[in-house]
Amino acid sequence: EIVLTQSPGTLSLSPGERATLSCRASQSVSSSYLAWYQQKPGQAPRLLIYGASSRATGIPDRFSGSGSGTDFTLTISRLEPEDFAVYYCQQYGSFGQGTKVEIK
Amino acid sequence: EVQLVESGGGLVQPGRSLRLSCAASGFTFDDYAMHWVRQAPGKGLEWVSGISWNSGSIGYADSVKGRFTISRDNAKNSLYLQMNSLRAEDTALYYCAKCPFSGYDCWYFDLWGRGTLVTVSS
Repeated sequence: EIVLTQSPGTLSLSPGERATLSCRASQSVSSSYLAWYQQKPGQAPRLLIYGASSRATGIPDRFSGSGSGTDFTLTISRLEPEDFAVYYCQQYGSFGQGTKVEIK
Repeated sequence: EVQLVESGGGLVQPGRSLRLSCAASGFTFDDYAMHWVRQAPGKGLEWVSGISWNSGSIGYADSVKGRFTISRDNAKNSLYLQMNSLRAEDTALYYCAKCPFSGYDCWYFDLWGRGTLVTVSS
């Protein structure tokens, strides 16, 4: 079973700043199946990125994904107020534990 | 409107059974694989089970294998999760989620329902 470890657990930033979220896999994984989701309180997750770097339909271009092998990154270039949420990475049937992006 | 609506959750005693349903609308249901994902209160996401478009391929998380059964009825645009021998640790919000492809080997989900809450407690 692949274990995905996300860091940091919490990221405290201000609107307009850049957010960099990490997802590390316990073994090398296919980039084809690396996805990122955003979840806000009381809402279902929303697909942001699939295939490690492809944006899902309707996702703003301030969200970008990169990486390969065991290390993957979600970058939010300039945080908007609506971006403060919890972010999860997924590979096959495994999810990371999440990174909370909170307002500083 | 493209949507998934889960139902069937509730309070159930340990050891008992519950059947969840997910009604799909706004898209051609039998073109896509479907999955169940759960989230315990205040916790992260956990994949539960998935099924290909024609029910030919099915998979389960180890934590539910042998107790849960996923199925679908394409004529009714519906996905189901039969949960037997429920445990306290099965308490969670259960989401129905759609894959963008038909095969079971589809591991990201582009549409989610709002979830149905299952509470296992005596």
